[in-house]
This record gives sequence, structure tokens and C-alpha cells, in this order.
Amino acid sequence: GAVVSQHPSWVICKSGTSVKIECRSLDFQATTMFWYRQFPKQSLMLMATSNEGSKATYEQGVEKDKFLINHASLTLSTLTVTSAHPEDSSFYICSARGTVFTYEQYFGPGTRLTVT
Amino acid sequence: DAKTTQPTSMDCAEGRAANLPCNHSTISGNEYVYWYRQIHSQGPQYIIHGLKNNETNEMASLIITEDRKSSTLILPHATLRDTAVYYCIVYNNNDMRFGAGTRLTVKP
Repeated sequence: GAVVSQHPSWVICKSGTSVKIECRSLDFQATTMFWYRQFPKQSLMLMATSNEGSKATYEQGVEKDKFLINHASLTLSTLTVTSAHPEDSSFYICSARGTVFTYEQYFGPGTRLTVT
Repeated sequence: DAKTTQPTSMDCAEGRAANLPCNHSTISGNEYVYWYRQIHSQGPQYIIHGLKNNETNEMASLIITEDRKSSTLILPHATLRDTAVYYCIVYNNNDMRFGAGTRLTVKP
């Protein structure tokens, strides 16, 4: 099956710094990638949808200037958390939808972000 | 704004079948029913999906009612490793939105 990877799997950063999370589709091309955030004991919440070569579409309440998303190629999307604060500590998960079987959406393993 | 309703939690004895219900009374004709599960601190794992007909794969079976307003995921022989949160999602090829899911605990 299709594989989506994320890097890093976990990261600790200091308050005020920025951190970049990568999401890669390893064996397929992804026209669309999605970014989710999950707080402890809660469900996944969709943050934004990105299409290759276009600006991301953010969900209501998600600050686009704080969570910068770049989807520059069909296999890579990045999420940059700018000026991170402790409340940004969360589990960030990406998913990717292929160009062929567009009803299939594949999820990455997630990135645990801790802001101290 | 998930379009599904699931019980918060369920228990199942190891080796027995686990039947997880899901209500999706507002499902549209072109929307699929997808099931994922999430084991602690991991990304969601795809289980199965269907449109109208019942489906079976190596992991589970999916039973969809004729009116498509509800479905049941069946794990035929639950093991301790099946303990996870199970999400039922109605998907129209737009984006996947997760509800609260059902926390299934398989007990020895």
C-alpha cells in the first residue's frame, strides 16, 4: 500500500522558535495533502488542505501566518510552526491523496511537538 | 462537524468478535463509509471502506444497512493488539473529518 512518512517523528523546541515538519508520499504522487492536529485524548482536527502548487486552505480558527504550509512538489508538503508556544504542543499528522485513486487517503505516522 | 455517531467506548473479550456500530443518517449517495483506527501515539491506520455493499478484507468486515444510514465494523477474532480508537468517517472525496470515535478495549 501507499506509504506516507513524516519527519521528524518527535521534536522539542523552545518557546519563540520555529519548527518545520515534513510530510512525504514515498511511492505515489500526492496532488492534495492534509494537515491535522491532535491534542491528548482528543480526535484529529483538520487544520488545512494543500494542493500542489497552490496556497493552502485553512480551517476556521487556524492561523495561516502561524502555521505555514508549503506543498511545492507532488511528494512533499511542509508545515512550519512559527514562533511556537507551549499551547502549540500537539501531535501533528499529515495525510496524502493520490492522483490515481483519488478516493484513497493515506496517513503519516505523526510528529509529536513539544514546546518548552 | 463529523457526520457520524459512534459509542464512546466498548469492551470485547479476546478471541471474540468485536462489533462496532456507526450511525450516519445524513449520508449522501456518493459518500463512502471509511473506517480507520488509531493506536496510541500513531497515525490512523486504514481498515476498510464501502459504498453500498458489504465488504470484507483480511482485517475486518463492513456491514452497511440497505438504507445506508448505519454500518457495523466487525473484527472477527479480536486480539489485545486491536485495542485502539476506531473512527467511522463519511467521505465524499473532499476531506476526511474525524469524530470522537469508539475506544475499543480488548480484554484477556
